[in-house]
Amino acid sequence: GQQLNQSPQSMFIQEGEDVSMNCTSSSIFNTWLWYKQDPGEGPVLLIALYKAGELTSNGRLTAQFGITRKDSFLNISASIPSDVGIYFCAGHDFGNEKLTFGTGTRLTIIP
Amino acid sequence: SAVISQKPSRDICQRGTSLTIQCQVDSQVTMMFWYRQQPGQSLTLIATANQGSEATYESGFVIDKFPISRPNLTFSTLTVSNMSPEDSSIYLCSAKGTPNQETQYFGPGTRLLVL
Repeated sequence: GQQLNQSPQSMFIQEGEDVSMNCTSSSIFNTWLWYKQDPGEGPVLLIALYKAGELTSNGRLTAQFGITRKDSFLNISASIPSDVGIYFCAGHDFGNEKLTFGTGTRLTIIP
Repeated sequence: SAVISQKPSRDICQRGTSLTIQCQVDSQVTMMFWYRQQPGQSLTLIATANQGSEATYESGFVIDKFPISRPNLTFSTLTVSNMSPEDSSIYLCSAKGTPNQETQYFGPGTRLLVL
């Protein structure tokens, strides 16, 4: 079955630093979604990507849908304390209504 | 975006009992899903809740253990039956179909602890 590998698994950064994480797949997707999950909450959608090569921003967040349709990255600029949490990528392919989730990247901000 | 609520938000249950989790969406959606998230893990799809028909279960999940109902386009329930400590997890309801067919939203989750 499809697998989504996220890297890094965890990140420890200082406030104000930029963050970059990525997601790779063994097969192609037609939609990539990035979610953030805070402790005790459900995942919240951050950015949705629908076309290969698409680059989309949402405030300090920028995400890109890879040209090969097998990868995506998420960048966070000038991190702030509320960015702490777990970030999940998820992919969706044609003819399949289900999402496949990545393994997650846990972001921690060091005081 | 769709707003999804779940009840209960958390529960502590005794082994051998069953718990039914409710999911309500604030608008009609085409598809609803149930996921399980074990501590420190990613999300695993349990089943797709089909309106007016039996749910479609993923490998490793069966209807006898996780019966699902979806009587209309905005509501679904998941029952965790004959619980054991291994069922301790977060159960998440999800929906898609509004406003974008490809975008999927999640409820806040139900935290279940089985003793």
